[in-house]
Amino acid sequence: SQELEQSPQSLIVQEGKNLTINCTSSKTLYGLYWYKQKYGEGLIFLMMLQKGGEEKSHEKITAKLDEKKQQSSLHITASQPSHAGIYLCGADSPGNQFYFGTGTSLTVIP
Amino acid sequence: DAGVTQSPTHLIKTRGQQVTLRCSPKSGHDTVSWYQQALGQGPQFIFQYYEEEERQRGNFPDRFSGHQFPNYSSELNVNALLLGDSALYLCASSFRDATGELFFGEGSRLTVL
Repeated sequence: SQELEQSPQSLIVQEGKNLTINCTSSKTLYGLYWYKQKYGEGLIFLMMLQKGGEEKSHEKITAKLDEKKQQSSLHITASQPSHAGIYLCGADSPGNQFYFGTGTSLTVIP
Repeated sequence: DAGVTQSPTHLIKTRGQQVTLRCSPKSGHDTVSWYQQALGQGPQFIFQYYEEEERQRGNFPDRFSGHQFPNYSSELNVNALLLGDSALYLCASSFRDATGELFFGEGSRLTVL
């Protein structure tokens, strides 16, 4: 089965600081997705990356896909308390199942 | 345009009981996937339904079963509940069996005592 390992597992940053979350796949990535989850709630789709070297941005969040390394990174610039939550990467698999990573819990201190 | 709705939002059961969780997909979506999310972990894929049939299944025992109705809504049933079944159960909908941009409900929080 496809495995997605995220690092760090948790992150505590001061408001205004930049941060990066990484997602590493044990297998070739067909598509890499980033979701955000508020504690105990459903997931919100952030971005989808499909091509090696692809980079997408939305507001202060930028995601990159390094297909050769089977990795993706999510970078938040000038973090705000509203960025707090659990960030999950997800990926398609050849069997058409969708797998999630282990998750990264982000706390932003005002 | 209603998004994915799940019910109930919270419930408490005891070991050995059975539970049914319900999900209505986003308007226009015909595929429903169910996930189990234990505290502090990422969601784990249970199964996916399309055209009223189970299309894919994750590594979950037969105690976990499901159903999809003609209106695309879905149910997740868990029999002989164990303490370890306590989790947030998430329903996600999509169009056909496309994966990726899944739309999630708020989840059903199940506590097994």
